[in-house]
Amino acid sequence: DQQVKQNSPSLSVQEGRISILNCDYTNSMFDYFLWYKKYPAEGPTFLISISSIKDKNEDGRFTVFLNKSAKHLSLHIVPSQPGDSAVYFCAAVETYSGAGSYQLTFGKGTKLSVIP
Amino acid sequence: DAGVTQSPTHLIKTRGQQVTLRCSPKSGHDTVSWYQQALGQGPQFIFQYYEEEERQRGNFPDRFSGHQFPNYSSELNVNALLLGDSALYLCASRAGRNEKLFFGSGTQLSVL
Repeated sequence: DQQVKQNSPSLSVQEGRISILNCDYTNSMFDYFLWYKKYPAEGPTFLISISSIKDKNEDGRFTVFLNKSAKHLSLHIVPSQPGDSAVYFCAAVETYSGAGSYQLTFGKGTKLSVIP
Repeated sequence: DAGVTQSPTHLIKTRGQQVTLRCSPKSGHDTVSWYQQALGQGPQFIFQYYEEEERQRGNFPDRFSGHQFPNYSSELNVNALLLGDSALYLCASRAGRNEKLFFGSGTQLSVL
């Protein structure tokens, strides 16, 4: 049972346009969400996050939107650059699941290709 | 400031062997967790260590065990290796209750 789903395995976008990556979750106990970017042969790099008490968080070209009622979040990249080409993972966590526990649940990732 | 460091970067083993992977957390971080990433999948949580104790465990068999040392570094041990254990093993660290988890570059394990 996949609790975090990224239904688009890949996405191609022209340089300068907006990239929108989507993520759905099923566990209503998740209260914190993170996006990671991963290049080949490297570990995931933290990109941006959002708490469930917010519906938007912005950091430069990256904005994450959270729709709790729909259990849906999205990552917007504007403008997209060729260096943004990577695999993007959505992750969710239940921050109050127990003393000291912190388990990220990841989606399968979306491969973004930004075409010059 | 060094980030999360893992060793070795690549490893080849045969079925039935045992393997030990090592991780040093980011400076100032006291919590270490391990994830397995199979090809085409997202990382899957194995377990988490804090204050030298396993605090939480994912859906992995007892063949997977770990340890955290007083300097917060950690080891992941896998016994009786199976072909299906071939994957990228990622170590991640965080500081206290900070929500951001920082990952190392991983150890690519191939079981033949």
